[in-house]
Amino acid sequence: DTEVTQTPKHLVMGMTNKKSLKCEQHMGHRAMYWYKQKAKKPPELMFVYSYEKLSINESVPSRFSPECPNSSLLNLHLHALQPEDSALYLCASSGQSQAKNIQYFGAGTRLSVL
Amino acid sequence: GNSVTQMEGPVTLSEEAFLTINCTYTATGYPSLFWYVQYPGEGLQLLLKATKADDKGSNKGFEATYRKETTSFHLEKGSVQVSDSAVYFCALSWDKLVFGAGTILRVKS
Repeated sequence: DTEVTQTPKHLVMGMTNKKSLKCEQHMGHRAMYWYKQKAKKPPELMFVYSYEKLSINESVPSRFSPECPNSSLLNLHLHALQPEDSALYLCASSGQSQAKNIQYFGAGTRLSVL
Repeated sequence: GNSVTQMEGPVTLSEEAFLTINCTYTATGYPSLFWYVQYPGEGLQLLLKATKADDKGSNKGFEATYRKETTSFHLEKGSVQVSDSAVYFCALSWDKLVFGAGTILRVKS
């Protein structure tokens, strides 16, 4: 089973709201990732967690706050977002955050910021 | 730095036509290479992979061969179906996963 589950599938929020995206995997993977994908573009890496510790932050604004409560779960907390943050947010996991490990992606959360 | 260049789309084909989507890469070291597919409204699915030179990845009738001498990983399929309509991303993995810009494939019946 190579499933990464993301909830919710769709989210609409106002600029003053606080919401969270959730990602779950049960493959025993020790690396988990958040990507942002705008329409007709490839995914852009936001954060990498390795063994539940944040290892890469690609200079993401602080209104995005990641959290890894345990090895199976990854959250992305959202606060005071801007309309330009509307995008598809993808979670992925891999065996380890090293070269040559296959990343498996979830179906994504489509976020609209009004 | 590492980068991936793939042919611009959209590519429009009739059903049962032969498909080639070109992909070339620039990398330090010896990365793994991947093709991911994204169907409308969905996330990315791994289509195939190759981890070293001359490896051939294959899945669902799609094939790609890791060519170190030409730094290429072109995607091919002998006979496309309408259900293959999607966006195809070539990617390399070294310290991070680096994607190409994506190629839209449209297959007409």
